[in-house]
Amino acid sequence: DIQMTQSPSSLSASVGDRVTITCRASQDIRKLLNWYQQKPGKVPQLLIYAASTLQSGVPPRFIGSGSGTEFTLTINSLESDDFGTYYCQQAYSPLRSFGGGTKVDLK
Amino acid sequence: QVQLVESGGGVVQPGKSLRLSCEASGFSFRSYDMQWVRQAPGKGLEWVSVIHYDGSLQYYAESVTGRFIISRDNAKNTVYLQINNLRAEDTGVYFCARDRRFQTLPNYYYNAMDVWGRGTTVIVSS
Repeated sequence: DIQMTQSPSSLSASVGDRVTITCRASQDIRKLLNWYQQKPGKVPQLLIYAASTLQSGVPPRFIGSGSGTEFTLTINSLESDDFGTYYCQQAYSPLRSFGGGTKVDLK
Repeated sequence: QVQLVESGGGVVQPGKSLRLSCEASGFSFRSYDMQWVRQAPGKGLEWVSVIHYDGSLQYYAESVTGRFIISRDNAKNTVYLQINNLRAEDTGVYFCARDRRFQTLPNYYYNAMDVWGRGTTVIVSS
């Protein structure tokens, strides 16, 4: 199975900050990496697929990058609506493992 | 509109069985692979299972293999998750999700879960 490791597991940031989350895969997954956002008590929502392609309706302050085993999600100029937990997920294997999540909260 | 609605959760004793359902509407259900994802209280997302659009292939997480069975009825626009021999660690919210195939360039396809249901809660307790 492919293991996905996210760091940090949590971070505190202020509105307007730039935030970077890292996701590492235990093997080469090319660009088959998705990012999801989950707000407290809400359903996960797809943000980015294919490592860097924004899902329809997602604002351009969200930027995904990387390929192979290392990926990043950057949020430029954090807004109040962006607080929540972010998960990476590999789509290389049919067994679609998630990372452990990164909780972004207000400093 | 495009919608997924899960049902079938509840409070169940350890060792018992449960069948979760997820009914789809607003899209061509028979054209999509469908996923189940669960989330234990206060924990992260855990991928559980997937079934191909025609039911021909199923995959399971190692943690549930042998106890969970995914199936679908395309005539009823519904995907199921049969959970047998329930354990305390199966407690959580179970989400179903549509697995969409995106095309970014010719011959480049990427899958991601683009529509999620609100989830159904399973509590395993004696």
